[in-house]
Amino acid sequence: AQTVTQSQPEMSVQEAETVTLSCTYDTSESDYYLFWYKQPPSRQMILVIRQEAYKQQNATENRFSVNFQKAAKSFSLKISDSQLGDAAMYFCAYRTSNTGNQFYFGTGTSLTVIP
Amino acid sequence: GAVVSQHPSRVICKSGTSVKIECRSLDFQATTMFWYRQFPKQSLMLMATSNEGSKATYEQGVEKDKFLINHASLTLSTLTVTSAHPEDSSFYICSAELGAETQYFGPGTRLLVL
Repeated sequence: AQTVTQSQPEMSVQEAETVTLSCTYDTSESDYYLFWYKQPPSRQMILVIRQEAYKQQNATENRFSVNFQKAAKSFSLKISDSQLGDAAMYFCAYRTSNTGNQFYFGTGTSLTVIP
Repeated sequence: GAVVSQHPSRVICKSGTSVKIECRSLDFQATTMFWYRQFPKQSLMLMATSNEGSKATYEQGVEKDKFLINHASLTLSTLTVTSAHPEDSSFYICSAELGAETQYFGPGTRLLVL
């Protein structure tokens, strides 16, 4: 089974600053998808960003961007201009390209935003 | 965007009773839905994969007779916790797969068994 590792259980960032959350994964597949989900205190899982492995260009969604390094099996999330509402648990997830396959989640990183 | 609802949002029941949780994809059809369990400050643990019109696939260690899953339509999957006990108290989350790649999650159901 694929494994997803988030080595930072907790991170903090000053409001308006930039923070990077790390994620590495282990796989022998060449085609797959990677995701970052945010889980605020409400516990609603919210899709932040997704990346297709076949795309070399890093995905970007407003203040959120990723650094996808396929050879290194690394998929970090950069949050720019951090806002108080960004405080949440962030989960990295891996999915194969096969239909109906499950996600493999990392253990999460708790992000605190300091006013 | 894709919206998934879950009902109820929280439920308290007595030990030995059964509880049904509904998961609906509101604006898209989902052939595949997933059921997760999450303990405080932990990641999501996949319980089962639910496919419309067929039997669910349960993860190792999950009792299929205790956690009954029915995916009767392309927009509805249900999880029934049968003969619930206090150790079943947890946060249950469903998700629906859109486009064979992305999962969209429901808001979760907090179950407390007394």
